[in-house]
This record gives sequence, structure tokens and C-alpha cells, in this order.
Amino acid sequence: DVKVTQSSRYLVKRTGEKVFLECVQDMDHENMFWYRQDPGLGLRLIYFSYDVKMKEKGDIPEGYSVSREKKERFSLILESASTNQTSMYLCASSLEGQVLTYGYTFGSGTRLTVV
Amino acid sequence: GQQVMQIPQYQHVQEGEDFTTYCNSSTTLSNIQWYKQRPGGHPVFLIQLVKSGEVKKQKRLTFQFGEAKKNSSLHITATQTTDVGTYFCANFGNEKLTFGTGTRLTIIP
Repeated sequence: DVKVTQSSRYLVKRTGEKVFLECVQDMDHENMFWYRQDPGLGLRLIYFSYDVKMKEKGDIPEGYSVSREKKERFSLILESASTNQTSMYLCASSLEGQVLTYGYTFGSGTRLTVV
Repeated sequence: GQQVMQIPQYQHVQEGEDFTTYCNSSTTLSNIQWYKQRPGGHPVFLIQLVKSGEVKKQKRLTFQFGEAKKNSSLHITATQTTDVGTYFCANFGNEKLTFGTGTRLTIIP
């Protein structure tokens, strides 16, 4: 079974702090994604990556950056956390060319609260 | 992916009743995927549809892709308490998945 592991289940940070959310997958997937989930808005794509050191902006990249130094690890960075970034953050991965067969595999999520 | 609208946002049903959620797009979709997210859990891939008029079944779940490939539905027959959760449709396009807003299903025992 593919496992996508997010380092923290719950996180509380202060406004203005730099926040790192870590995601690791163990099945050699090329593609990795960061979504945020908010009630009534579904899942919205923040950033994604198809290869090491490669990144693409999703639909709502403002206030975020990412890092992919190794294939298995994709980090989401909140440069200066704000209260409107309080949300559930979901990491996902997929195998190149196999999305229509197997879909995305999601991590358990990190519920971030910015106070 | 293309923008997809999903309705209803919430649905409460008695256990044993049927449930349906709908996804609609203003443009033709190349594919539709469905995911289920249990309360407190993460989305889990259920199925994908790619052909016009396609119907697929998984036990009590029936997935349908419209003839014009602009809409899709998920129907659950005789709901059980294990069906609770949020159901999302999603479209894969431009190398990424775009999700609908989800339908949250609550079962009244």
C-alpha cells in the first residue's frame, strides 16, 4: 500500500510565523500535490510538483511556497502565517501516467490553526 | 482540470434510504473521478469514468457519466451507517485534479 505521511496531525502557530508542513511518500511516486480543504469550498490546489526541484503553482498559491529536494518529500511553506491560512492541509501523490487508474493517494492531513 | 459544481452540499437520509450526489460542468469533461472522505479522514479514490454514458457499479454504489460528458452522478442504494462521509467528484486535466465542493452525507439511524 502506498503511504503518504504528513508529519503533524494538528498544528497551532502564531500570526507571522514561518510554518513548514512536511509530506513524505514511500512508493516512488513522481507527482506530489498540496491542497487545502475548507468547508463549502472543497479541495483547492496550492502547489504541485512532477519532479525533484520542480514546482508548479496551483489555483491558490499566494502566501505559500514549496520545496522538493528529494523525490519522496514535498514541503509546503507558509512564509508568514496569517489567520486566513487556518485550514486542513492535505498532501497527495500519484504515479506518472496512472492517475486515471489509481487516482491520487492522500495523506491524513494537517489541521493548522493560526492564532 | 475543469471546474465542476457539486450538489447538494449536505444530505441527511434515514438509514436504508437512497442517496444521490451530482456533479455538473459547463464544458465537456474528459473524465470524472469520485472520492470518499470519512469523517476525520482523508479522501480515498473510488472510481474513474471516461466514456460517454458510462455506468459503473461497486456493490450498492452506482456511478454514471452523462451522455454529453458534462455531468456525473453517484447513487447509493439502501444507505448504511458506513456510508457517512463527504463524497467528491474531480476532473483530471492539465496535469492536475480539480475537485468539486463535495456532498456531505449524514445517516440517521
